[in-house]
Amino acid sequence: QKEVEQDPGPLSVPEGAIVSLNCTYSNSAFQYFMWYRQYSRKGPELLMYTYSSGNKEDGRFTAQVDKSSKYISLFIRDSQPSDSATYLCAMSEETSGSRLTFGEGTQLTVNP
Amino acid sequence: GAGVSQSPRYKVAKRGQDVALRCDPISGHVSLFWYQQALGQGPEFLTYFQNEAQLDKSGLPSDRFFAERPEGSVSTLKIQRTQQEDSAVYLCASTPTAGRYQPQHFGDGTRLSIL
Repeated sequence: QKEVEQDPGPLSVPEGAIVSLNCTYSNSAFQYFMWYRQYSRKGPELLMYTYSSGNKEDGRFTAQVDKSSKYISLFIRDSQPSDSATYLCAMSEETSGSRLTFGEGTQLTVNP
Repeated sequence: GAGVSQSPRYKVAKRGQDVALRCDPISGHVSLFWYQQALGQGPEFLTYFQNEAQLDKSGLPSDRFFAERPEGSVSTLKIQRTQQEDSAVYLCASTPTAGRYQPQHFGDGTRLSIL
């Protein structure tokens, strides 16, 4: 079983929809949680990161962490065609130089 | 440059050949990571440098994989006697310091195809 599980999709929504992306994890040592966006043939781009349980909002994006359930989510409001990409959740332990452990990514298409 | 730069962007090699992939991190960044991303998968950790010291190489899949960062800036990932299963995108990331969690900034990767 993988340490981080993420539904690969694909997920297709109409423009303006609210998108919900989720990951579960098994390693209780994970303390930092990130969401990356990856366009085709590009490197991952950091969208949001959080340390604690709870919600963190940045514009149209909200990241949610529930450490007790080992579950994280990313919500995208008012989705745009430019949001079409693969979304990767990633996690790391609280040590210096800690590696990231990624989910396999969810492919999202927002249709105009 | 402003971001992490990787070269070449694309590399095609025949099985059995050796390849070298280069990463130029953001200037002054202390920590450097290599990841391997297979098609349709998330990146998987290969190795980590703090300055010129390779502090973690536990993700390297075999002794055919070797990485170095001799002067604490540019890093090279070398794969000897390449196999078809080495075909993947190789990503490099860097962070400004070696402290607790630092956001990792990724390059666009080298897409390696082994024929």
